[in-house]
Amino acid sequence: NAGVTQTPKFQVLKTGQSMTLQCAQDMNHEYMSWYRQDPGMGLRLIHYSVGAGITDQGEVPNGYNVSRSTTEDFPLRLLSAAPSQTSVYFCASTWTGHGGEKLFFGSGTQLSVL
Amino acid sequence: AQRVTQPEKLLSVFKGAPVELKCNYSYSGSPELFWYVQYSRQRLQLLLRHISRESIKGFTADLNKGETSFHLKKPFAQEEDSAMYYCALFMGRRALTFGSGTRLQVQP
Repeated sequence: NAGVTQTPKFQVLKTGQSMTLQCAQDMNHEYMSWYRQDPGMGLRLIHYSVGAGITDQGEVPNGYNVSRSTTEDFPLRLLSAAPSQTSVYFCASTWTGHGGEKLFFGSGTQLSVL
Repeated sequence: AQRVTQPEKLLSVFKGAPVELKCNYSYSGSPELFWYVQYSRQRLQLLLRHISRESIKGFTADLNKGETSFHLKKPFAQEEDSAMYYCALFMGRRALTFGSGTRLQVQP
């Protein structure tokens, strides 16, 4: 049972380069989200999705795009990387059921933009 | 607007001492609150949620609606409790708003 899988684990980009952070879950969860983790700021929500074909912005969406063509995949795209996007990125999917909700996190992607 | 505040960036205690990690929230609806923990080089994982009223690894947290708080407590800290702790508020069936986190350091 893989849970939430993120790739790559590490990435170094030059300013202006583009890349896609991959996120996949095999739990058939409808809800998925992307966060960035920065020292002293905790985790901040970038984008989220409540189901295939539906996405919405979180707290810090600028500079990032997402799409949700399937239930399993929720990639995060940086179109033109900037040093301010150096961070650790976490993808999560949400289990909903009796007793409430629970988020499952991926192992994270450490991104450095030079 | 929803907001979660963790006033302490670092909390350092000795093994066996009591621990209280503070969390305050602001939310107009009925809150659903969680504590997440991140051990060194591991992914975030759920520690406990107020709706379950559970005790995990000796930690408990009580929702105090009057004080809008959800402090995490443990009577006797262990070295393996050293980690980053995040308080989080559920924004409906979408995603979480996290506090800025508190690093707990338990010294021998």
